[in-house]
Amino acid sequence: QSALTQPASVSGSPGQSITISCTGTSSDVGGYHYVSWFQQHPGKAPKLMIYEVNDRPSGVSNRFSGSKSGNTASLTISGLQAEDEADYYCSSYTSSNTYVFGTGTKVTVL
Amino acid sequence: QVQLVESGGGVVQPGRSLRLSCAASGFTFRSYAMHWVRQAPGEGLEWVAVISYDGSNKYYADSVKGRFTISRDNSKNTLYLQMNSLTVEDTAVYYCAREGIRWRIVGYFEYWGQGTLVAVSS
Repeated sequence: QSALTQPASVSGSPGQSITISCTGTSSDVGGYHYVSWFQQHPGKAPKLMIYEVNDRPSGVSNRFSGSKSGNTASLTISGLQAEDEADYYCSSYTSSNTYVFGTGTKVTVL
Repeated sequence: QVQLVESGGGVVQPGRSLRLSCAASGFTFRSYAMHWVRQAPGEGLEWVAVISYDGSNKYYADSVKGRFTISRDNSKNTLYLQMNSLTVEDTAVYYCAREGIRWRIVGYFEYWGQGTLVAVSS
């Protein structure tokens, strides 16, 4: 199972919006509603930000939103803040009853 | 509050075995599927395995199938990962993670432990 494809890095200024893409296939992202997004700060465990494409867990800021079109899912961070600087990973259920993560995207707040 | 605490990591020689544990508290362990996810130094996340709430269903990544075994003891609120025939490519921080929905496996990794480092080296 190949990793989902994400851009290596995305950057933006405080207050701006950025979008991170996550491209898979019809056997994973395109075939199921089970796409999640995670934020990971250096040396810390990942934190769930979005699940089932566009739902937010309790406590996650509404500046984070998810969507999907075909085989590509996206995470949008609006009103970018310094604390959003981190690595972000997508994940998806696959047709093999397994899960696959994205390659990861480093978000930099300029 | 939900707590997941991994243990059992360390330095091990190639070809040897290691068993990781994940002690769970703060929720009804027997109601949730559990996952293992790993992260090699400086690399991204890699899903390893999942076990259903009752242990009846287990699924593995191709990279560990046949070498790793996931199991659980619901009476002890503990998840395990038995790792055999270890290679240098298995060097990583290993996290346990809890599903976000009771009874089901949907890959909604809601809670994570702090991780335990496994270093395979001669």
